[in-house]
Amino acid sequence: EPEVTQTPSHQVTQMGQEVILRCVPISNHLYFYWYRQILGQKVEFLVSFYNNEISEKSEIFDDQFSVERPDGSNFTLKIRSTKLEDSAMYFCASRGQIGSGQFGTEAFFGQGTRLTVV
Amino acid sequence: AQTVTQSQPEMSVQEAETVTLSCTYDTSENNYYLFWYKQPPSRQMILVIRQEAYKQQNATENRFSVNFQKAAKSFSLKISDSQLGDTAMYFCAFMKLYNSGGSNYKLTFGKGTLLTVNP
Repeated sequence: EPEVTQTPSHQVTQMGQEVILRCVPISNHLYFYWYRQILGQKVEFLVSFYNNEISEKSEIFDDQFSVERPDGSNFTLKIRSTKLEDSAMYFCASRGQIGSGQFGTEAFFGQGTRLTVV
Repeated sequence: AQTVTQSQPEMSVQEAETVTLSCTYDTSENNYYLFWYKQPPSRQMILVIRQEAYKQQNATENRFSVNFQKAAKSFSLKISDSQLGDTAMYFCAFMKLYNSGGSNYKLTFGKGTLLTVNP
């Protein structure tokens, strides 16, 4: 069964350092997302990516964040200068084509990357 | 903007019994999907069940079923014959739909309900 894979599973970084979280979405999917879950809190939308550009971003997704799909298979989230409050579980998700006249398909989530900023 | 509310932070149920998790949402949209996702201790988000807003019939998936009340904006999840493996955080989520391109189909999640199934 196809799945979304994320690496690494856990990353520890010093405050102020840059981190790149990596995701390999399901191969024929077209919509890509990053979500964040601070420990004990709800899952929050960060950014959506479609047709090689950001289609929407939340208030959380400030200038310190960027996303990229460098080679047609990987989908990365970069945090330029990490802060303590960036510590969270980061989930990548992908979705297939929303067909004309149809109402949606499910989003498939990866296992998450736990980011710890110290 | 859409909001999703799960008013029960924690619930517990005895194995083999039935439990209902509640979810309400607020939207001005008419076309949307609702989902229940399960997050076990492994932390992966797993889709449990989905409901299309234009369908009046409640969705069912084996032991999982929903009670979708569109006018009341309510979307509860019923788990029958609870099993120990059902122990997890359960998130209700909303997805807005558009009929034209440009939508990103993002999910808006509630805060979750931690369900514990006791032996």
